[in-house]
Amino acid sequence: DQQVKQNSPSLSVQEGRISILNCDYTNSMFDYFLWYKKYPAEGPTFLISISSIKDKNEDGRFTVFLNKSAKHLSLHIVPSQPGDSAVYFCAARNPNTGNQFYFGTGTSLTVIP
Amino acid sequence: KAGVTQTPRYLIKTRGQQVTLSCSPISGHRSVSWYQQTPGQGLQFLFEYFSETQRNKGNFPGRFSGRQFSNSRSEMNVSTLELGDSALYLCASSMLTGGTGELFFGEGSRLTVL
Repeated sequence: DQQVKQNSPSLSVQEGRISILNCDYTNSMFDYFLWYKKYPAEGPTFLISISSIKDKNEDGRFTVFLNKSAKHLSLHIVPSQPGDSAVYFCAARNPNTGNQFYFGTGTSLTVIP
Repeated sequence: KAGVTQTPRYLIKTRGQQVTLSCSPISGHRSVSWYQQTPGQGLQFLFEYFSETQRNKGNFPGRFSGRQFSNSRSEMNVSTLELGDSALYLCASSMLTGGTGELFFGEGSRLTVL
């Protein structure tokens, strides 16, 4: 049962434009959400997070939006840069299971110069 | 400080064999989690260890097991390997279990089962 879903396996964006990566979840108990970025042959690295008590968190070019009623999470990258090309995973934490995060299947972002 | 170190990075096994993967967390991190990454399935949680105790376990068969040592280093073992076990196995460490903090991932061990 995939509790966190990323329905777009891939996304291509022109350099300088906005990249929007989406994530949907099914468990209303999730209280913390993170985005990870993964380059080939490397482990995922933490990008940005948001608590369920907020609806927006911004860090430089990266902004995460949370719509709890829709159980939807999105990551906006503005402006997109070629170095942003990577696989992005969203993850959600169930407070009842400690450090167990549920990950989506990932979206491969390609930023075209 | 040194990151999460996983060994071996690549390995090839045949069906029926067993394999042991190792993970050394970031110094001071006491929680170690293991994930399996396969195409189309994302990262699937295997288990989490904290202070040598398994705290959580994902939905994997008993062939998958793990342990954590007093120095927080962790190993995972897969017995009676199947073709479907071919995957990238990622280890992640964090300061505390149950925290909101990020997981720090290693580069993974890529297992191929023939």
